[in-house]
Amino acid sequence: IAGITQAPTSQILAAGRRMTLRCTQDMRHNAMYWYRQDLGLGLRLIHYSNTAGTTGKGEVPDGYSVSRANTDDFPLTLASAVPSQTSVYFCASSDSTDYNEQFFGPGTRLTVL
Amino acid sequence: GQNIDQPTEMTATEGAIVQINCTYQTSGFNGLFWYQQHAGEAPTFLSYNVLDGLEEKGRFSSFLSRSKGYSYLLLKELQMKDSASYLCAVKGGDYKLSFGAGTTVTVRA
Repeated sequence: IAGITQAPTSQILAAGRRMTLRCTQDMRHNAMYWYRQDLGLGLRLIHYSNTAGTTGKGEVPDGYSVSRANTDDFPLTLASAVPSQTSVYFCASSDSTDYNEQFFGPGTRLTVL
Repeated sequence: GQNIDQPTEMTATEGAIVQINCTYQTSGFNGLFWYQQHAGEAPTFLSYNVLDGLEEKGRFSSFLSRSKGYSYLLLKELQMKDSASYLCAVKGGDYKLSFGAGTTVTVRA
């Protein structure tokens, strides 16, 4: 593994189903983030984690949950998917939360029907 | 809240120069980032400004004026591979990134 990986690459999901998007980084970065990207709206922060064991809410957290059991993994869970959660989801990481740039994973394209 | 504005689209000719403007109003300021995103791919880091002035990196330069809440990204000697979206992002007082909607640049031969 080099950098950040996400799985799955894409998924079609029925409304009401539970779904977990996976994110793994091998850079030993402390901070990790989940964004969604929608046409015309840009990237919006869903949840973040400054360090293993801690998480926080971003701009659009409703309907999503995260956990950070260790440094490398930061899964995003949709408990009961709705069509408005159709989007491209990007995971990102940075060495710290202050002045370092964020590195992005390849994204997961999720369609909720 | 955070408000970040940039033009939706720009078109330029191969070999030319294009300037993408970004204006922002944020709660606190801890730096401004520019990212490049090709269609269907992840954003990749281009530049970072935290002090006023110009940062040059090869064909790309980025300028910041904190007092005016303004930045621009300058792309020189445009190449076809520069066709992409360019995202302006501001790190606010909470150290979280807020992104503009992005500017799609199309380079024509």
